[in-house]
Amino acid sequence: QQQVKQSPQSLIVQKGGIPIINCAYENTAFDYFPWYQQFPGKGPALLIAIRPDVSEKKEGRFTISFNKSAKQFSLHIMDSQPGDSATYFCAAGRSNDYKLSFGAGTTVTVRA
Amino acid sequence: DAGITQSPRHKVTETGTPVTLRCHQTENHRYMYWYRQDPGHGLRLIHYSYGVKDTDKGEVSDGYSVSRSKTEDFLLTLESATSSQTSVYFCAISESGFPYEQYFGPGTRLTVT
Repeated sequence: QQQVKQSPQSLIVQKGGIPIINCAYENTAFDYFPWYQQFPGKGPALLIAIRPDVSEKKEGRFTISFNKSAKQFSLHIMDSQPGDSATYFCAAGRSNDYKLSFGAGTTVTVRA
Repeated sequence: DAGITQSPRHKVTETGTPVTLRCHQTENHRYMYWYRQDPGHGLRLIHYSYGVKDTDKGEVSDGYSVSRSKTEDFLLTLESATSSQTSVYFCAISESGFPYEQYFGPGTRLTVT
């Protein structure tokens, strides 16, 4: 049973569009929510992360929105570029538990 | 890939044979993890280690064992490989104080025929 549910499974946008990936969790003990980016043939790489005491975090063109009451968080890719085409994973972790639970992944394709 | 190597990178083996995958790090990080990646399932934790000789099970540990005799090496063994263990296996590391910032290796593609 996946502790973090991620949607959609895949999406296609035009260059400059804003792909949005959503994740939901049930365990309220989770207190760290990272996003990982994976290019074909490579290992995942940490992209951006948020803690539940903030509602939004931006790093470059990547923004995480967090809704604690709804137990949901999402990734927005602003002004998307073909180089952003990759698989994105959301994850969740708990303090003092050095493990992450990952979502199933979203494959994003940005068309030129 | 943050000083992490995995070997072999590709392997084809037959059902019933034992297989050992190796993860080697040069970062001296305390925590090491083994994941498998399958379509529709994301990354699932197999086993992890929080120090030399200290290991614990993840969510999909059946049929797998691990060993860590040195800080830099974490071995994953499939005791008797089955076709359901065909997957891409990733090793990851993280350091004390930043356990959620995991750095992944390049992966091993394992096919069990």
